[in-house]
Amino acid sequence: QKEVEQDPGPLSVPEGAIVSLNCTYSNSAFQYFMWYRQYSRKGPELLMYTYSSGNKEDGRFTAQVDKSSKYISLFIRDSQPSDSATYLCAMSALSNTGKLIFGQGTTLQVKP
Amino acid sequence: GAVVSQHPSRVICKSGTSVKIECRSLDFQATTMFWYRQFPKQSLMLMATSNEGSKATYEQGVEKDKFLINHASLTLSTLTVTSAHPEDSSFYICSAGGGVAFSYEQYFGPGTRLTVT
Repeated sequence: QKEVEQDPGPLSVPEGAIVSLNCTYSNSAFQYFMWYRQYSRKGPELLMYTYSSGNKEDGRFTAQVDKSSKYISLFIRDSQPSDSATYLCAMSALSNTGKLIFGQGTTLQVKP
Repeated sequence: GAVVSQHPSRVICKSGTSVKIECRSLDFQATTMFWYRQFPKQSLMLMATSNEGSKATYEQGVEKDKFLINHASLTLSTLTVTSAHPEDSSFYICSAGGGVAFSYEQYFGPGTRLTVT
């Protein structure tokens, strides 16, 4: 079993839809949770990070962490064609290594 | 966010040759740099963690004699793939962490596409 599970998709939605992306994990030591966006043939770009449980909102993006269920989500409101990319969740335990464990990534396509 | 560059962006080499990939943090000092590889439609797999001035820490299953990592300064880390083979063809991405003992914020380079023929 992988430490972090993420449905690879692809996920196709119409422009303006609300998108829900999710990851589950097995390691209860994870404390830092991140979402990255990666366009084709490019490096990942940090979108949001959350420490421990709770919600965090930034513009059209909302990140949620439920540590009791070992489940994290990223919501995108009013999705745009420019949101079409691969979204990777990543996690890190409370340590001094900075080591990130990534999910497989979900490919999202927002159709005009 | 901080800017990390990689060079070259794409390289094609013959089997048996060595290839060096550079990773630079352009506007901040990175005490820690990470090297990942990514196969098509797969996630990023951490290969090694390097700290400036010390030996890199390799992940299990990664051959340290094949993937040589040097982190000689706070702004530059290099990955050398020695005696490359076709199975080494992949997308190699570096990331740089901030100058604190622990930083979950990593800034990624644009990646290097390596093709070994």
